Amino acid sequence: QKEVEQDPGPLSVPEGAIVSLNCTYSNSAFQYFMWYRQYSRKGPELLMYTYSSGNKEDGRFTAQVDKSSKYISLFIRDSQPSDSATYLCAMGTGGGNKLTFGTGTQLKVEL
Amino acid sequence: GAGVSQSPRYKVAKRGQDVALRCDPISGHVSLFWYQQALGQGPEFLTYFQNEAQLEKSRLLSDRFSAERPKGSFSTLEIQRTEQGDSAMYLCASSFQPGTGGYTFGSGTRLTVV
Repeated sequence: QKEVEQDPGPLSVPEGAIVSLNCTYSNSAFQYFMWYRQYSRKGPELLMYTYSSGNKEDGRFTAQVDKSSKYISLFIRDSQPSDSATYLCAMGTGGGNKLTFGTGTQLKVEL
Repeated sequence: GAGVSQSPRYKVAKRGQDVALRCDPISGHVSLFWYQQALGQGPEFLTYFQNEAQLEKSRLLSDRFSAERPKGSFSTLEIQRTEQGDSAMYLCASSFQPGTGGYTFGSGTRLTVV
């Protein structure tokens, strides 16, 4: 079993929809959590970074962390075709440096 | 430049050939990481440098893989006697502050072993 599980999709939604992306994890030592967006043939781009349970909002993006359930989510409001990409969750242990990534969820926002 | 630069962008190698991939991190960034990303998968950690010191290396990393970061600036990932299973995107990332995860990735080197 992988330390981080993420549904690979693909997920297809109409423009303007609310998108929910999720990851579960098994390592209770993970302390900080990130979401990256990756366009085709590009490197991952950091979207959200959280260090505790709860919600964090940035524009159309909201990240949720529930450490008790070992579950993290990313919500995208008013989705746009430019949001079409692969979304990777990633997490690391406090004091450690390497990140453990999920498989990535491929999202397509259609006009 | 402003971002993490990787070269070459694409590399085709014949099986058994040695290859060297280069990463130029953001100026002043202390931490540098190498990840391997197979098609349809998330990046997998390979190795980590803090300045010139290689502090961690994946246990899954074959001894055909080696990396260095002389003088704590650019880094080189070398793969000896390449195999078809080495075909992947190799990503480099850097961060200013050790111990944080919000680091910046380069665009990667796509390696194809034929």
